[in-house]
Formats: sequence, C-alpha cells, structure tokens
Amino acid sequence: GDSVTQMEGPVTLSEEAFLTINCTYTATGYPSLFWYVQYPGEGLQLLLKATKADDKGSNKGFEATYRKETTSFHLEKGSVQVSDSAVYFCALLKAAGNKLTFGGGTRVLVKP
Amino acid sequence: GAVVSQHPSRVICKSGTSVKIECRSLDFQATTMFWYRQFPKKSLMLMATSNEGSKATYEQGVEKDKFLINHASLTLSTLTVTSAHPEDSSFYICSAYRNTGELFFGEGSRLTVL
Repeated sequence: GDSVTQMEGPVTLSEEAFLTINCTYTATGYPSLFWYVQYPGEGLQLLLKATKADDKGSNKGFEATYRKETTSFHLEKGSVQVSDSAVYFCALLKAAGNKLTFGGGTRVLVKP
Repeated sequence: GAVVSQHPSRVICKSGTSVKIECRSLDFQATTMFWYRQFPKKSLMLMATSNEGSKATYEQGVEKDKFLINHASLTLSTLTVTSAHPEDSSFYICSAYRNTGELFFGEGSRLTVL
C-alpha cells in the first residue's frame, strides 16, 4: 500500500539555521504531495503542496519539490525562526477517495 | 479562513465508559469528514470516512462497534468510543473536506482512559 517515510525528530536548530526534513513516499500512480504543520495546541494546517512531478510548493519561506525519480518531497527553509517550532507532517493523496496518508511527523525545535 | 473545531480537547474517563467527541465545521458545509488517530511519536492513522446522511466507511482493522461515527448534519460529525479501555487512549483528530478541494483539520482531542 501507499506509505510515507520522514525523518524522525526531534530536530533542534538555532534561529537562522537551515532546515531540511526528508520525506520519501511509496505509491502507485501519481499522488499529490503535501506538508502539514501542527503548532502546539493547534490542529494541522496545510503548509504547502505539489500536485505533479517537478512542481515546487512554497509558503512562509518553506519549499519542497516533487521529485518523482527519487520519490521524494523534502522540506527546506533557509533561515528558521523560533515561531517555526512545530511538528511537520509529510502526506500524500491519491486522486480517488480524498484519503491522506501521513508520515510519522518530525518535531522541530528552534532555539533563540 | 475555514475552521474546524473539536470538542472536547481533552477528556479523561474511567474504563468501561463511553466518550463522545464532536467535530464541527464552523463556516462551511462538509459532506465528508475524516477521523484519524495519532499514537505517540507515530503517524496519523485514518480510522474512517464519515459521509453526511450515510454510514461511515471504516478502514481495515478499525472496529465499527467500538468507534461509532455519526454524521447527522453537514456541519457535525461525532466519534463515540464505546466501552473505552486504556488502550483506546490516544489523540483523535478530525478533518473536514470542503467542496473547494481543501481539507481542514480540527485541533484534536486527547482521550485518556484510566
């Protein structure tokens, strides 16, 4: 079946450091790929998405490129802030059923 | 923006009792809602798809009689954990699908069964 694998956390960084969270997936066909973020005490929020190969999703300084050849969708941010401390989830969506398959989540802690 | 609200956010109950968790879409109608379960340090696991006016569709391995889902209106879905036991303790999250193609998540409900 479909699956998403992302690096385990926690990832601890200093402010203004470069952040990368690896995400790889296994799926048949051509899924859409997403990154969701969960801030403390809040629900998941869509951070960015990409619907086809080579698409780049971007939002709030975060970027991720849909790489079909490596089945990856790594999340990057060039300069993190304390407010980026959260749990990040990579997910995929097949066209039918609107069912998201999530990775395990990566907790990121940014220290001042 | 659209908001999905869950209630209660935290609940503690005794073993053997039933607990109901509500999921509401506050400013849009949701014909489809999803219920997830999140274990500590693990991913969100889809439990069931809740369709307004019809029976929920459960994922393989999820007990229908244990986790009762009702989607009686276009803005409300409920998950009832019946005869809860400590192993049912978890973080339950709902999401609601808007017909614009967007999916919105609730804040989650943490259930602790003593």
